[in-house]
Amino acid sequence: EIVMTQSPATLSVSPGERATLSCRASQSVSSNLAWYQQKPGQAPRLLIYGASTRATGIPARFSGSGSGTEFTLTISSLQSEDFAVYYCQQYNNWPPPWTFGQGTKVEIK
Amino acid sequence: QVQLQESGPGLVKPSQTLSLTCTVSGGSISSGSYYWSWIRQPAGKGLEWIGRIYTSGSTNYNPSLKSRVTISVDTSKNQFSLKLSSVTAADTAVYYCARDLAGIASHWGQGTLVTVSS
Repeated sequence: EIVMTQSPATLSVSPGERATLSCRASQSVSSNLAWYQQKPGQAPRLLIYGASTRATGIPARFSGSGSGTEFTLTISSLQSEDFAVYYCQQYNNWPPPWTFGQGTKVEIK
Repeated sequence: QVQLQESGPGLVKPSQTLSLTCTVSGGSISSGSYYWSWIRQPAGKGLEWIGRIYTSGSTNYNPSLKSRVTISVDTSKNQFSLKLSSVTAADTAVYYCARDLAGIASHWGQGTLVTVSS
């Protein structure tokens, strides 16, 4: 099973600032990496897939990069609605299971 | 716009079988190259992928749960279902259903809390 490790666990950021979240895979997942946003009491929402492709309706301030084992989600200028928990997920290995990171909580500084 | 909705008992006794159904609306469960997945999340914790099914009936399960999990599909009702046997308190979680295209969960249900307790 591929283990996904996210850092930091919590990121304190002021509105308008940039947030950079990291995700590392225990072995290469190529570009088969997705990012999800989850707000309290809500289901996760797909932000990024293919490591860098924004999902439908996702604002341009969200960007993803990386390949292989190292990935980054960047939120260029944090808005109030962006404070949430973010998860990375790999979908490279066959057969599944797909695996998620433990999450990074982005909180207001 | 496809929508998914989980339903089922919110309370299950230890050693019994958890049963949930996901109803898909806004599109046919048989259209496209989609798999239909179950994912769970214990309170305050991360996400765990349980398994998925294609409308042909082909399934993939998480090896950690495989001996206890069955996912089935009823295309006539536009539904798919999860059964998890021999549950314990560790199976208490919010259970989500989702649409999976090549591993990407693009659409999720709102989730349903299942508590395992006597």
